[in-house]
Amino acid sequence: EVQLVESGGGLVQPGRSLRLSCAASGFTFDDYAMYWVRQAPGKGLEWVSGITWNSGSKDYADSVKGRFTVSRDNAKNSLYLQMNSLRTEDTALYYCAKASRVGDSRSPLFFDYWGQGTLVTVSS
Amino acid sequence: QSVLTQPPSASGTPGQRVTISCSGSSSNIGSNAVNWYQQFPGTAPKLLIYNNNQRPSGVPDRFSGSKSGTSASLAISGLQSEDEADYYCAAWDDSLNALYVFGTGTKVTV
Repeated sequence: EVQLVESGGGLVQPGRSLRLSCAASGFTFDDYAMYWVRQAPGKGLEWVSGITWNSGSKDYADSVKGRFTVSRDNAKNSLYLQMNSLRTEDTALYYCAKASRVGDSRSPLFFDYWGQGTLVTVSS
Repeated sequence: QSVLTQPPSASGTPGQRVTISCSGSSSNIGSNAVNWYQQFPGTAPKLLIYNNNQRPSGVPDRFSGSKSGTSASLAISGLQSEDEADYYCAAWDDSLNALYVFGTGTKVTV
């Protein structure tokens, strides 16, 4: 059974840092790209960042570019999100999501499994 | 910031058919596959439809997806009370550094 368990959220002051973790199990972690998606309270979903299976490519939403860094440790089956210079607008539930595709490497990715999320609150 | 537009709400009675629209542009829906996610209050999103019209294992066949041009639709036929949830469309966007964009979300009430 695929499981994704996020941790590391909490209350932090603006300008400070936080590191989120996502522990994966139930699948061959280093075969898949992984992503972070967030949801502000009462709002919709927002793609935050993604990383390929070998960390060869990393992408970020413009809203977090230069402040957030995604990484992974395939030996530990873990995904991370280092969040620096946090702003009040970064307050959200952060989900990690496993990406999958049907077909060859040119086939489109979709998020087939999601964790339950970890809440980040940025407030003074 | 959502670039895919959905109606904020949709409703129906049990057994009815409900359709949710998702409007995008040539850089996202117009050139990439659409996925749909279902989210119940207080829970994580769940993949409902991938690659425009494919259902993952376990998703009832009363859920169906379609795409035409720069728009997509999710249809729920034979609406059931347990279908009451938020629904989001999503697609990759070629013009925004390979961003994955979500729709604004639609609350379905039964």
